[in-house]
Amino acid sequence: EPEVTQTPSHQVTQMGQEVILRCVPISNHLYFYWYRQILGQKVEFLVSFYNNEISEKSEIFDDQFSVERPDGSNFTLKIRSTKLEDSAMYFCASSEGLGGRETQYFGPGTRLLVL
Amino acid sequence: GQNIDQPTEMTATEGAIVQINCTYQTSGFNGLFWYQQHAGEAPTFLSYNVLDGLEEKGRFSSFLSRSKGYSYLLLKELQMKDSASYLCAVTRRSGGYQKVTFGIGTKLQVIP
Repeated sequence: EPEVTQTPSHQVTQMGQEVILRCVPISNHLYFYWYRQILGQKVEFLVSFYNNEISEKSEIFDDQFSVERPDGSNFTLKIRSTKLEDSAMYFCASSEGLGGRETQYFGPGTRLLVL
Repeated sequence: GQNIDQPTEMTATEGAIVQINCTYQTSGFNGLFWYQQHAGEAPTFLSYNVLDGLEEKGRFSSFLSRSKGYSYLLLKELQMKDSASYLCAVTRRSGGYQKVTFGIGTKLQVIP
């Protein structure tokens, strides 16, 4: 069964450093998403991406964040200058489309720790 | 804005039935997801309700009433492995795209 994959599974970085989180969505899916979950808190939407552009972003997704689909398979989230409060689990998700094909399938996540 | 309410914790006995409720307030409602999340793992899809009524899938069923802003997830024949958080998530259309908002999740503990 196809699944969303994410690398790395864990990332430790120093405050102020840049990190890139990588995702490979399910191959025939057209919509891609990033979420984060701070330990013990709810899953929070960051951004959705369709047709090589951001379709929606939350108030969390400020100028330090960016997303990119550098090739036909990868979908990346870049955090330019990490802060302590960026420590969280970051989940990538993808869905086939809209109109009944909206189910979002989540990757295993990247646990980011900012020191 | 959006508001999603679900109980934070529930306990049930192995073999029993448990119902996890979710109420929501949102504009432009499109559908409601239920996801299961084991500690430290990703959410896994359980169900998606767009229309009113009950949808059954094995031991799990999900109900939606759009007029009441209410859904529940019903788990039958509980097993120890069902101990997890159950996330209610509401989707709405926003400019032709879909936006998903998650509730805090209900942590279910199944006891022998």
